[in-house]
Amino acid sequence: GAGVSQSPSNKVTEKGKDVELRCDPISGHTALYWYRQSLGQGLEFLIYFQGNSAPDKSGLPSDRFSAERTGGSVSTLTIQRTQQEDSAVYLCASTVKPQGATNTGELFFGEGSRLTVL
Amino acid sequence: KQEVTQIPAALSVPEGENLVLNCSFTDSAIYNLQWFRQDPGKGLTSLLLIQSSQREQTSGRLNASLDKSSGRSTLYIAASQPGDSATYLCAGLSSTGTASKLTFGTGTRLQVTL
Repeated sequence: GAGVSQSPSNKVTEKGKDVELRCDPISGHTALYWYRQSLGQGLEFLIYFQGNSAPDKSGLPSDRFSAERTGGSVSTLTIQRTQQEDSAVYLCASTVKPQGATNTGELFFGEGSRLTVL
Repeated sequence: KQEVTQIPAALSVPEGENLVLNCSFTDSAIYNLQWFRQDPGKGLTSLLLIQSSQREQTSGRLNASLDKSSGRSTLYIAASQPGDSATYLCAGLSSTGTASKLTFGTGTRLQVTL
């Protein structure tokens, strides 16, 4: 597809279970972000991938959260032993950052994965 | 640490009115500023991107300005329509060393009434 694709669009799970959320960025986009949006809250940065560089994990709220980006394309956000406070919409975005450039370009978001932990 | 604030938090205007949404940021060393629109239950749609070297960008009825020295950006919507009803978010891109981070404001919820 032409845009950022996220799956699943909705996920309901029980407290204590592990979940995986997937993001397919726009083809050719080198940078990928994960954000979390809780009900009535702003967007909270989670993690940033840029090419082959080490990811910026400074936004991950606990060690139950991890993410990887395989082959510089698809990314998976994993939440282990989910808690009710993990319920939120998880948004993925991608953009282009030319080699050696300081700026990234326009950011494009997916529709998000809505996670509900019962 | 970059902090982004949007005022007002909510706004209701009659159709046809021109309006301005405000965004302020604490770290003037931003690389760019982007305005987004979010409809209920949906992801974010990019509206305008202003690079740090630019003062404004225009797209249709939308005009966004950037004043780095004062840490402010505005989104001007001309001749508002009911279809403009949504939450509008601004976000500033800053450096965190080797990485780039986009910091979002909490948004302005706009309702355009008939």
